[in-house]
Amino acid sequence: KAGVTQTPRYLIKTRGQQVTLSCSPISGHRSVSWYQQTPGQGLQFLFEYFSETQRNKGNFPGRFSGRQFSNSRSEMNVSTLELGDSALYLCASSPPYNTEAFFGQGTRLTVV
Amino acid sequence: EDQVTQSPEALRLQEGESSSLNCSYTVSGLRGLFWYRQDPGKGPEFLFTLYSAGEEKEKERLKATLTKKESFLHITAPKPEDSATYLCAVQAAPLDSNYQLIWGAGTKLIIKP
Repeated sequence: KAGVTQTPRYLIKTRGQQVTLSCSPISGHRSVSWYQQTPGQGLQFLFEYFSETQRNKGNFPGRFSGRQFSNSRSEMNVSTLELGDSALYLCASSPPYNTEAFFGQGTRLTVV
Repeated sequence: EDQVTQSPEALRLQEGESSSLNCSYTVSGLRGLFWYRQDPGKGPEFLFTLYSAGEEKEKERLKATLTKKESFLHITAPKPEDSATYLCAVQAAPLDSNYQLIWGAGTKLIIKP
């Protein structure tokens, strides 16, 4: 069974640009969550989608947005990139009626 | 406020030297406690879920236990390949259908040969 797939694995962007990250969950999983991980802040919750609806949202500015498609694949977008947005962005999917989250390998975003 | 605290921040052990990592939590009602292992530059890898006080789970050299206020991850006779950051997360009983996980900062474990 394929795991959670995130693309791309690495990205370098310039301040002010925007970026879109993609996440394909494990087959059958309808919940997808996004996290930002930095050395100083640890894992910070961005948002969670379930059946194409945003179910939860963390404390991040509106520059961070996401969406989920009917096949449960999800994208997150960051507009007007800042240097502080440099981080490992992780996507996790969860099976129905279960609470375990299974993570992808992450996308390493570097803003220069 | 719901909170998860892990200790120590870092732990250095000799190969074969057993020890324990701690995860203490304060939540209004526990739905589940999760342990993950994370290697540098990779996503966290799921290890265990514990649901109620007294529950224990084992996997190879790892054993997770749960009380009403904390969880321990016991590592028996560790090997260098057990070196990683171990993360603990808690899911509180849902309020307004909020199933968000609350994460600890992690314990960085280094096993020296």
